[in-house]
Amino acid sequence: AQSVTQPDIHITVSEGASLELRCNYSYGATPYLFWYVQSPGQGLQLLLKYFSGDTLVQGIKGFEAEFKRSQSSFNLRKPSVHWSDAAEYFCAVGGGTGRRALTFGSGTRLQVQP
Amino acid sequence: GAVVSQHPSWVICKSGTSVKIECRSLDFQATTMFWYRQFPKQSLMLMATSNEGSKATYEQGVEKDKFLINHASLTLSTLTVTSAHPEDSSFYICSARILGLAGGLIDTQYFGPGTRLTVL
Repeated sequence: AQSVTQPDIHITVSEGASLELRCNYSYGATPYLFWYVQSPGQGLQLLLKYFSGDTLVQGIKGFEAEFKRSQSSFNLRKPSVHWSDAAEYFCAVGGGTGRRALTFGSGTRLQVQP
Repeated sequence: GAVVSQHPSWVICKSGTSVKIECRSLDFQATTMFWYRQFPKQSLMLMATSNEGSKATYEQGVEKDKFLINHASLTLSTLTVTSAHPEDSSFYICSARILGLAGGLIDTQYFGPGTRLTVL
């Protein structure tokens, strides 16, 4: 069965500082990996995704993520955080035959200090 | 592109009534839509997979007679919470899946803004 672990429940960074959100997955084959962001009371917005190819993926809003198969990780990074980045971030894994539903991590809440 | 809408965005109802939530893909067709449920400060839990023209597939522990799903067209799926009770109060989010080949495999879910259901 597929699973996703986001070890950090809550992270606080200063505006302008760099950010890395951790994500580890468990999956039997090559996974499809996603990062979504959710603002309070809102739905999820896709930041980026990895299917195959280049392991460094660029997304929207200046985010990037790197797929490391040997570490079963797909960490999200941003070189300089803006106050508007404060939100909940979810890593998800999908794939396999059939439903292709996503399995989500528990989320990481990002707080940005001025 | 790839916009998914949900209606209503919030609803308050009395215990015992039924509530219908619509999920629409506005600018693409989706043969598969998914319904998730999210409790406060928790992650999304898949409830069911909705396939156009066929019966939905429910996750273990989800009562199919309580959460009725209809995927009548390639752009619309509905979730009806029947005989709602306070424990059904939650944030319900749908997603619509794009699957195809366009310069490479595309297999991505786009999410609606969610519906907050409060049952009194």
